[in-house]
Amino acid sequence: GEDVEQSLFLSVREGDSSVINCTYTDSSSTYLYWYKQEPGAGLQLLTYIFSNMDMKQDQRLTVLLNKKDKHLSLRIADTQTGDSAIYFCAERRRGNEKLTFGTGTRLTIIP
Amino acid sequence: DVKVTQSSRYLVKRTGEKVFLECVQDMDHENMFWYRQDPGLGLRLIYFSYDVKMKEKGDIPEGYSVSREKKERFSLILESASTNQTSMYLCASSLRGSWNSPLHFGNGTRLTVT
Repeated sequence: GEDVEQSLFLSVREGDSSVINCTYTDSSSTYLYWYKQEPGAGLQLLTYIFSNMDMKQDQRLTVLLNKKDKHLSLRIADTQTGDSAIYFCAERRRGNEKLTFGTGTRLTIIP
Repeated sequence: DVKVTQSSRYLVKRTGEKVFLECVQDMDHENMFWYRQDPGLGLRLIYFSYDVKMKEKGDIPEGYSVSREKKERFSLILESASTNQTSMYLCASSLRGSWNSPLHFGNGTRLTVT
């Protein structure tokens, strides 16, 4: 399987937590990534997690990995207007230099 | 700071024209990539190059070709542009074999084919 799937849209109130979900199908994935794309810009790496980890925390960001269900999530605590962007998850398979990206989730912040 | 520079932010071309999209990186990265981004489809890999003069087809290579004559430059060529190639094109580079080294992206070229 080669698909990486995400919901297309998410709306969250300012100050609440945002949870962006992703499912992937290839069990040989080694690294899983979250990228952020602000309007008019390319993608920037937010964080990544190795497939033998369950969780990684970095300031307001928490990544959870359920390898059994092939489910990855990104939680943004205390969501701010500057978090408005498209968020992409991506997987890198064993022995492969290429990343496969999901469809992206557009996060909208409600004031 | 790693810089990936795409030569044009916006391009408008006519159907049937030959189109060149240029990308330059300044970090001596071996790997370079061309993706296209379409709403609801995410990023799809067109071509990948892992060294000078080396290239591999991605998921959607039809209608495109690439050139990598120098390590820092990776060009995407549309031999005969068609309206279904209207899209945002993103170039990226990375270090070969470095699993925790991210892809570094340019700001994209929005191509419109009329």
